[in-house]
Amino acid sequence: GESVGLHLPTLSVQEGDNSIINCAYSNSASDYFIWYKQESGKGPQFIIDIRSNMDKRQGQRVTVLLNKTVKHLSLQIAATQPGDSAVYFCAETTGGGNKLTFGTGTQLKVEL
Amino acid sequence: GAVVSQHPSWVICKSGTSVKIECRSLDFQATTMFWYRQFPKQSLMLMATSNEGSKATYEQGVEKDKFLINHASLTLSTLTVTSAHPEDSSFYICSARDRRNVGYTFGSGTRLTVV
Repeated sequence: GESVGLHLPTLSVQEGDNSIINCAYSNSASDYFIWYKQESGKGPQFIIDIRSNMDKRQGQRVTVLLNKTVKHLSLQIAATQPGDSAVYFCAETTGGGNKLTFGTGTQLKVEL
Repeated sequence: GAVVSQHPSWVICKSGTSVKIECRSLDFQATTMFWYRQFPKQSLMLMATSNEGSKATYEQGVEKDKFLINHASLTLSTLTVTSAHPEDSSFYICSARDRRNVGYTFGSGTRLTVV
């Protein structure tokens, strides 16, 4: 069936470096994407979103890039901090629908 | 911003008993609520979608008689795990959307352990 997946299960970066977390999605009809951060034992926390009519969106220290041609989404975190250590999920909806489908997740580890 | 309160944060129950998890939207009216299950080191899997005042829509493979969902008001949805077994042990998370269907607000999750 349709799915959203991630390339890298674990990403280790040095504090202060930039992080790039990738996500591949398979449903070409997906039109809204969200990145979430989940700390251990907690619910997902919204980071940033993007609609399919855009290819880039920036927030505070974060940027999401969307490449619809290859169905790829990435989250860039600038100047990664220890507090950024968590699991990051991409999620998508299709056709303005309610159902949010989550990718497999990437564990980001920030080394001091 | 929008806040969703989920209770309890953790619960341990004996096999065969039932457990109720509550999800409340504190500062908005949640016309739609979602229930997810997450096993360790795995992603969130949608179990069901509930709209206020109507029956929940369950995802394929989710037993509706085992996971009872009630969404009787615009601020409260409950998930009852009936006749719980050890394999039901998981992290259950709710999410809510308001009338404008803008954004998804997640609860903090409930760790269920069935012994």
